[in-house]
Amino acid sequence: RKEVEQDPGPFNVPEGATVAFNCTYSNSASQSFFWYRQDCRKEPKLLMSVYSSGNEDGRFTAQLNRASQYISLLIRDSKLSDSATYLCVVRRSGSGTYKYIFGTGTRLKVLA
Amino acid sequence: EPEVTQTPSHQVTQMGQEVILRCVPISNHLYFYWYRQILGQKVEFLVSFYNNEISEKSEIFDDQFSVERPDGSNFTLKIRSTKLEDSAMYFCASMFRAGELFFGEGSRLTVL
Repeated sequence: RKEVEQDPGPFNVPEGATVAFNCTYSNSASQSFFWYRQDCRKEPKLLMSVYSSGNEDGRFTAQLNRASQYISLLIRDSKLSDSATYLCVVRRSGSGTYKYIFGTGTRLKVLA
Repeated sequence: EPEVTQTPSHQVTQMGQEVILRCVPISNHLYFYWYRQILGQKVEFLVSFYNNEISEKSEIFDDQFSVERPDGSNFTLKIRSTKLEDSAMYFCASMFRAGELFFGEGSRLTVL
């Protein structure tokens, strides 16, 4: 079983739609959680951290359910510029360092 | 804004040749990483480096791979004898403490 699992998509949605992505992780030692965004052939960039109480940043809302080992990202009022791959990332510590494990990513295409 | 810089942006090499990919992490960062991404696939962890030594490495990071931080600013990844399957985008990343992981723009390696 992959340590971080995501539906690869693609999700094709019209502008203005609300879309939700889910992610599950298998290692209960995972401590911190993030959503990164990756544009085609570019580097991943942090979109937002995910906190236990859930958090919002503008049109983006992230939720964490530690009991179910589940993370979600909700995008409201989708824009064309939201088209990208969204990477679920978990972090755990060990061996004197922090290890970031990436999911395969969920591809989003927002259509005009 | 400080950034992680990588060179070269693209390298084409013949199978069996040695390749060195260079990275300059953000100056006050303490943790350094190499990841790779084969076209269309997930971002895969290769190695982490902290306190002047490798702190963790993946199964991919075999004897053909090595990392160095020779002068306190550069962080290099060497592939001793490249194989076709080493063709990928290689991302360097750095982090101060348990914070955001910043990525460079990547070095695309093509092995012929």
